[in-house]
Parts: sequence; structure tokens; C-alpha cells
Amino acid sequence: AQSVTQPDIHITVSEGASLELRCNYSYGATPYLFWYVQSPGQGLQLLLKYFSGDTLVQGIKGFEAEFKRSQSSFNLRKPSVHWSDAAEYFCAVGIRGKLIFGQGTELSVKP
Amino acid sequence: SQTIHQWPATLVQPVGSPLSLECTVEGTSNPNLYWYRQAAGRGLQLLFYSVGIGQISSEVPQNLSASRPQDRQFILSSKKLLLSDSGFYLCAASLRASYGYTFGSGTRLTVV
Repeated sequence: AQSVTQPDIHITVSEGASLELRCNYSYGATPYLFWYVQSPGQGLQLLLKYFSGDTLVQGIKGFEAEFKRSQSSFNLRKPSVHWSDAAEYFCAVGIRGKLIFGQGTELSVKP
Repeated sequence: SQTIHQWPATLVQPVGSPLSLECTVEGTSNPNLYWYRQAAGRGLQLLFYSVGIGQISSEVPQNLSASRPQDRQFILSSKKLLLSDSGFYLCAASLRASYGYTFGSGTRLTVV
């Protein structure tokens, strides 16, 4: 069955430190890949997406993600985290018109 | 670009009462529409999706139903709410996967 795995439920980083959030998917072909961010009590905002081409994708708010076919991964990175980045982050795959989400990673930022 | 309107933002309903949550889409025609639920501390679960008026696919068996009476209107309903129906409900729209998916601001439902 298709699935999306975010192995880290909660991550805490210091402000200014680098960040990497992991995402692995299980699907026979390369699906459409997305990262969304959700602030408390809010809807979801699209950070970036990958469909094909260059495997390093740039998004909003200084985020980037790298697609690695051999590892079935689409990890999200940011070189320097800001306090306003504290939120929940969701990896998702688009398969046959449906968007399937991982369980999410909650990011806390220490001053 | 498409905009999704959801209301109400918050709702507290007693067990056994009916439910109707509405989602409308602006700025596009013939979108695919989706209802997701986010239970406390959990990810987003796809409940229903629709590719056109009157066409509804259910992803999980449950106490809820969905309808699409108009091209840009998607309604989530229940005849009798259960405690387990509590959660954060999000409506989403997509013209095609390569365009991405747009989400509404959600409805926080608490069943008491």
C-alpha cells in the first residue's frame, strides 16, 4: 500500500541552526511530492513541490527539499531556522489525484 | 488562483446532533475537491474526494457523508455525531496534481 513516513514526530532546534526534516514514501513510481506547513489552528500552506526535473527544489521562506529516487526520500531543509518557523510540517504525495499525508513533524525552535 | 472558504471556523456540537460543514471554492472551475480530518496529535486523513458534481468517493468507512451539489461547493454531513468525530476538518481543491492543492482555513469541531 502507498504510504508516507515522517519518522520524527517532534524536533527541537536552536534559532539559527540548520534543519532537516525527513520524509520517505512507498510507491511504485515517482509520485508528485509536496511539503506543507501548518501553524497552530490554521490551514496548510504549500512550501514546495516536486514533479520532475532538478531534484533540488527551492520553496518559500528559505526552504528547500531534495528528491532522492534511490532512497524514496524527499527531505526538507533550511540552513538557518527562525523562531517563526515553529510549526507542524507535513510531507505529502500525490497519487492518482489524491494527496496522501505523512503523520507530520512538529518543529520547536529554542531561542 | 483559487481560494477556499470554509465555515464555521469552530463548532461545538452535542453527541447525536446533525452536522453540516460547507466549503466553497473561488477562482477556478471544475476542481477536484477533498475533505480531510486531522484528529488531535495526528496527521491528515483523507475522508472524501470528488471529481465532479454528484461524484463522491469515500476513503474510509465512517459516520460522515459528503455531497457536491454544485461545481464549487462541497458539503460534509452527519446525521448523528459521535465523540470520535471531533477534529479539525480541512477542505482542499486541486485542478490537477501538478498545480498543487489549496487548503481552506479549516473547521475545529468538538463533539461533547
